[in-house]
Amino acid sequence: QSVLTQPPSVSAAPGQKVTIACSGSSSNIGNNYVSWYQQVPGTAPKLLIYENNRRPSGIPDRFSGSKSGTSATLGITGLQTGDEADYYCGTWDNSLTAAVFGGGTKLTVL
Amino acid sequence: QLVESGGGLVQPGGSLRLSCAASGFTFSDYSVNWVRQAPGKGLEWVSYILTTSTTMYYADSVKGRFTISRDNAKNSVFLQMNSLRADDTAVYYCARIRGATLGQFYMDVWGKGTTVTVSS
Repeated sequence: QSVLTQPPSVSAAPGQKVTIACSGSSSNIGNNYVSWYQQVPGTAPKLLIYENNRRPSGIPDRFSGSKSGTSATLGITGLQTGDEADYYCGTWDNSLTAAVFGGGTKLTVL
Repeated sequence: QLVESGGGLVQPGGSLRLSCAASGFTFSDYSVNWVRQAPGKGLEWVSYILTTSTTMYYADSVKGRFTISRDNAKNSVFLQMNSLRADDTAVYYCARIRGATLGQFYMDVWGKGTTVTVSS
């Protein structure tokens, strides 16, 4: 049972838009920044979004992040087959004194 | 980059020491943590160590069994794992931490991981 809650899977057609939600509480998302990671199976995770909505250099602007209250959202527009991967949200939890992740969302581009 | 090593097959109750070697950046300027991923499962944070080794945090699942340490002179971080159990079986990643405070915590550089299998 993950501290942060994500849908197990989402799917959409190439060229479409998808959003992935991440729900937490006041001890984590509510008072800290959220980051998002992309993991293609068999490879290491890769940073996609940090500090809620900032993109590292090299990450296309098709990827976006937002936060409201105790929830965060990752948005991906112009879906490509190469976007098929597992996506994780993460943040620090002040009560647990630990980093926490969502359970991960598998994106399928139909 | 970060390169993990030290994984392998170990019997339940045994010990293993993982290493993570950093290059290409000033290692002593960054906090580091370990994250693991059991087969077919999601990411699980394991442990964190501050730049100066004065602060360490652990997940409840490993507290009292795992110890994180670092050697800034050798650009390396370590994870000593004792009393290993079958549910410690996972790929272990080290990752560099960014953010001025823990509230801004994120991991921007990851190693490729090292596999730990706990089985008799």
